[in-house]
Amino acid sequence: QVQLQESGPGLVKPSQTLSLTCTVSGGSISSGSYYWSWIRQPAGKGLEWIGRIYTSGSTNYNPSLKSRVTISVDTSKNQFSLKLSSVTAADTAVYYCARDTVIHRLYYFDYWGQGTLVTVSS
Amino acid sequence: DIQMTQSPSSLSASVGDRVTITCQASQDISNYLNWYQQKPGKAPKLLIYDASNLETGVPSRFSGSGSGTDFTFTISSLQPEDIATYYCQQYDNLPYSFGQGTKLEIK
Repeated sequence: QVQLQESGPGLVKPSQTLSLTCTVSGGSISSGSYYWSWIRQPAGKGLEWIGRIYTSGSTNYNPSLKSRVTISVDTSKNQFSLKLSSVTAADTAVYYCARDTVIHRLYYFDYWGQGTLVTVSS
Repeated sequence: DIQMTQSPSSLSASVGDRVTITCQASQDISNYLNWYQQKPGKAPKLLIYDASNLETGVPSRFSGSGSGTDFTFTISSLQPEDIATYYCQQYDNLPYSFGQGTKLEIK
């Protein structure tokens, strides 16, 4: 059974960089046809896709965040990471990591981390 | 970017009721649509992929239909454990986008 677990600081100061790591267990991050995504959800609001990475290192980002986002992968540790720079209060949210399964032309998020709340405040 | 519009935003129904949620895409997305269930304090859970395919282990009272721009999600007989917020998500084009959610409550 694949499991994902987010980790990182729960409090980040404005203008600083938010850094989170997702550790994947129960399977290799390198095996199969999967992208690995970050998704966030402000309190009481909907879901926003941030971006994804393939194990080759290929990335796709949401244009609304592209200038501030970097997603990377460390296959030796079975982890992938998110960095979001120049954060403001608007970046306060629960951040989820998720596996984006690809089967032919089908894509879906079938495994999710439990989510981690990141608050941007001085 | 493709905009996804769900309706209603909230819904109150009784146990045993048939419940229907709609999702409209701002452009044709073929059948590239998923549905998720999110319970309070939990991560979303995949229920339906490719508009109408039931994820393994998901009860058969859940179903999805539609293609192009108009999609429907149905619970045939509402159960107390179905209380949650439901989201549609398109994957026809990047960036992926979600509907704003439909919060389902028991009457």
